[in-house]
Amino acid sequence: DIQMTQSPSSLSASVGDRVTITCRASQTITTYLNWYQQRPGKAPKILVYVASSLVSGVPSRFSGSGSGTQFTLTISSLQAEDFATYYCQQNYDMPFTFGQGTRLEIK
Amino acid sequence: QVQLVQSGVEVKKPGASVTVSCKSSGYAFTSYGISWVRQAPGQGPEWMAWINGYNGKTKYAQKFQDRVTLTTDTSTSTTFMELRTLISDDTAIYYCARDRLGMATLDYWGQGTLVTVAS
Repeated sequence: DIQMTQSPSSLSASVGDRVTITCRASQTITTYLNWYQQRPGKAPKILVYVASSLVSGVPSRFSGSGSGTQFTLTISSLQAEDFATYYCQQNYDMPFTFGQGTRLEIK
Repeated sequence: QVQLVQSGVEVKKPGASVTVSCKSSGYAFTSYGISWVRQAPGQGPEWMAWINGYNGKTKYAQKFQDRVTLTTDTSTSTTFMELRTLISDDTAIYYCARDRLGMATLDYWGQGTLVTVAS
């Protein structure tokens, strides 16, 4: 199975900060990489697909980049509603695996 | 609007089976598939399987190949996930999610169903 490793596992930041979350795949996945946001008690919500395509309706402060084995999700200016857990997920090969998550907390 | 509504909380004993349903609305059911994803307490999500809403073709993660069966009822736009021979490690929230091509790009999710396995 392809292992997805996120860093950091948790992050404290303030409203207005720029934050970057990193995701590394254990082998190349080209750009078959999705990002999800999950708020407590809710289902995940897709933000980015094929590494850098923003889902319709997702604010433009979110952006994704990367290819091969290294990927990033950047939030350019944190808003209160962005404090949540973020997961990367590869859909290059079955089983489609998720990272362990990055919990974004208010400083 | 697209909605996926799942069945309610389940409590099962080890060795039993559970079936969770997922009723879709607001889109053409047979034009999309449904993936099932579970999330154990404090863990990341885990993709389990996918079913094509048009022809019932399925894909299963090898880990679940022998214990999971997905079916659909196109007359009610409902998908079913059966998990057999339950163990305590199967305690998790089980989600269905819309997945057009079976490539786990999951654009709409159900609300989740908590399955607890305990003696």
